[in-house]
Amino acid sequence: EPEVTQTPSHQVTQMGQEVILRCVPISNHLYFYWYRQILGQKVEFLVSFYNNEISEKSEIFDDQFSVERPDGSNFTLKIRSTKLEDSAMYFCASRLTRGGEQYFGPGTRLTVT
Amino acid sequence: AQSVTQPDIHITVSEGASLELRCNYSYGATPYLFWYVQSPGQGLQLLLKYFSGDTLVQGIKGFEAEFKRSQSSFNLRKPSVHWSDAAEYFCAVEGLGAGGTSYGKLTFGQGTILTVHP
Repeated sequence: EPEVTQTPSHQVTQMGQEVILRCVPISNHLYFYWYRQILGQKVEFLVSFYNNEISEKSEIFDDQFSVERPDGSNFTLKIRSTKLEDSAMYFCASRLTRGGEQYFGPGTRLTVT
Repeated sequence: AQSVTQPDIHITVSEGASLELRCNYSYGATPYLFWYVQSPGQGLQLLLKYFSGDTLVQGIKGFEAEFKRSQSSFNLRKPSVHWSDAAEYFCAVEGLGAGGTSYGKLTFGQGTILTVHP
């Protein structure tokens, strides 16, 4: 069964460093998403991406964040200069159609020290 | 702004007992409604969804949920819980914009942790 994959599973970085979280969505899907979950808190929407551009973003998704689909398979989330409060589990999701189910990856745990 | 409330942070049931997890949402119109389950170290797996039509929806693993518009609720139920159901459960809504369109942003509740006693 097709699935969304994410790498790495765990990333430790120092405050101020840049990180790139990688996702491989399901191959024929067209809509892509990033969410995050700070420990003990809700899963929060970060950004949606369709047709090579951001379609919606949350207040969390400020200038420090960017997304890219560099080729036909990867979908990346970059944090330019990490802060302690960026420590969270980051989930990638994809879906085929606008009204369809979102399939989530297993997440990347980002720890900023 | 849309919001989702799961009033129970932690529920404990005995194996074989029935289960109901509560979810209430706040939104101007009827959104799309979802229940996801997350096992430790795993991603979010969709249990079931409601878009329209029959207000009682069946999902995977023997779960069902009932949409009640008058109560803005979408409670998840299972008649007999198995030890493997122990996990965290999330209710989520996808709000529809003007003309019924949506880019897919999901708003999640805070989750309910289910513990199952043998």
